[in-house]
Amino acid sequence: GAVVSQHPSWVICKSGTSVKIECRSLDFQATTMFWYRQFPKQSLMLMATSNEGSKATYEQGVEKDKFLINHASLTLSTLTVTSAHPEDSSFYICSARDGGIGNSPLHFGNGTRLTVT
Amino acid sequence: DQQVKQNSPSLSVQEGRISILNCDYTNSMFDYFLWYKKYPAEGPTFLISISSIKDKNEDGRFTVFLNKSAKHLSLHIVPSQPGDSAVYFCAASAGAGNTPLVFGKGTRLSVIA
Repeated sequence: GAVVSQHPSWVICKSGTSVKIECRSLDFQATTMFWYRQFPKQSLMLMATSNEGSKATYEQGVEKDKFLINHASLTLSTLTVTSAHPEDSSFYICSARDGGIGNSPLHFGNGTRLTVT
Repeated sequence: DQQVKQNSPSLSVQEGRISILNCDYTNSMFDYFLWYKKYPAEGPTFLISISSIKDKNEDGRFTVFLNKSAKHLSLHIVPSQPGDSAVYFCAASAGAGNTPLVFGKGTRLSVIA
């Protein structure tokens, strides 16, 4: 089945630094990838839709200048948390569809646990 | 306002019995529904889905039922096994095209041996 790989699986950084998270589709091409965030005991909340070759679409309340998304190829999207603060500590997960159409499941990476100290 | 609701945060079931996880939605535009299983510190794993043109979909021990008039779906797992213990998320999407999923808050299932 379709595999989405995410790296790193966890990262600890100091407040004010930036962290880059990579998401790769390993055996399929993804023109669109979705970035979610999950706080403890909460649902997965969509942060942004990453579009290959164009600007990402951000959900309401998500700062585009803080969460930089780059989707430079059909198999790679990156999320950079800039000037991270402790409140950005969360579990970040990317996802994509094989085939890029609706009515098929999203496949998720294993997530990145970000802890900002 | 949550469009996908899982009102039971947890469920405990004995091994071999049936587990029933429930999900309600409010957006009548949703036409595709999925269930995911999630372990701590891992991404969700797709389990089973159903489109709005059906009312039942079965895959091995997992069956999803959809009641469109009630805007309700459920996941049945039978027989339940200890390895089924995880958090189960209900998700939905609307329309054709490459659309994101909207998730419920999840239900933690514990299957007791």
